[in-house]
Amino acid sequence: GESVGLHLPTLSVQEGDNSIINCAYSNSASDYFIWYKQESGKGPQFIIDIRSNMDKRQGQRVTVLLNKTVKHLSLQIAATQPGDSAVYFCAVLQGGPGTYKYIFGTGTRLKVLA
Amino acid sequence: GAGVSQSPRYKVAKRGQDVALRCDPISGHVSLFWYQQALGQGPEFLTYFQNEAQLDKSGLPSDRFFAERPEGSVSTLKIQRTQQEDSAVYLCASSLGWGQGSTNEKLFFGSGTQLSVL
Repeated sequence: GESVGLHLPTLSVQEGDNSIINCAYSNSASDYFIWYKQESGKGPQFIIDIRSNMDKRQGQRVTVLLNKTVKHLSLQIAATQPGDSAVYFCAVLQGGPGTYKYIFGTGTRLKVLA
Repeated sequence: GAGVSQSPRYKVAKRGQDVALRCDPISGHVSLFWYQQALGQGPEFLTYFQNEAQLDKSGLPSDRFFAERPEGSVSTLKIQRTQQEDSAVYLCASSLGWGQGSTNEKLFFGSGTQLSVL
């Protein structure tokens, strides 16, 4: 099966600085990954995704990097803003005969300091 | 609708009571998932539907948990004889795709139902 872990439970950054949130996964066959943002009292919100045939993908102020060799992905947030304060999860698609599910990590809480 | 809708938003149940949680996925989405999220934890998979077929229920914690999606759209998660350890947020999610290799695997979540069992 798949297990997903994160390197840090809490990350504090100054407003305007860049943030980097990390995630490790265990199944080398995994080929689709999503980053989610979850604010208090809300469901996870889709941020950005990446497939295993890519190393990098950019969105608005966010970049996801995928290193398949060490089974690691990261989320970079540029010019972090107070509205970025939330818990961030990576999710890894686990598929196969009779199964199709996303495995989530425990999350990293991002705190933006004014 | 525009997004995944879940009801009720909050549910308080006495231990031993049965509860039913509803999910309205995004219209046309083939796949529907239920997840359980304990406080301070990531979502844990419960069950997966492809249209009306429940293809994976490996995450359901006990036979007190039952899910259905009879017409391939709205889904209900039922918990019988609720216990205190069932207290959690129950999240529903849907996607247009239906498995690895499809091109529409983005997963969209509802706001969840927060269940408190007293």
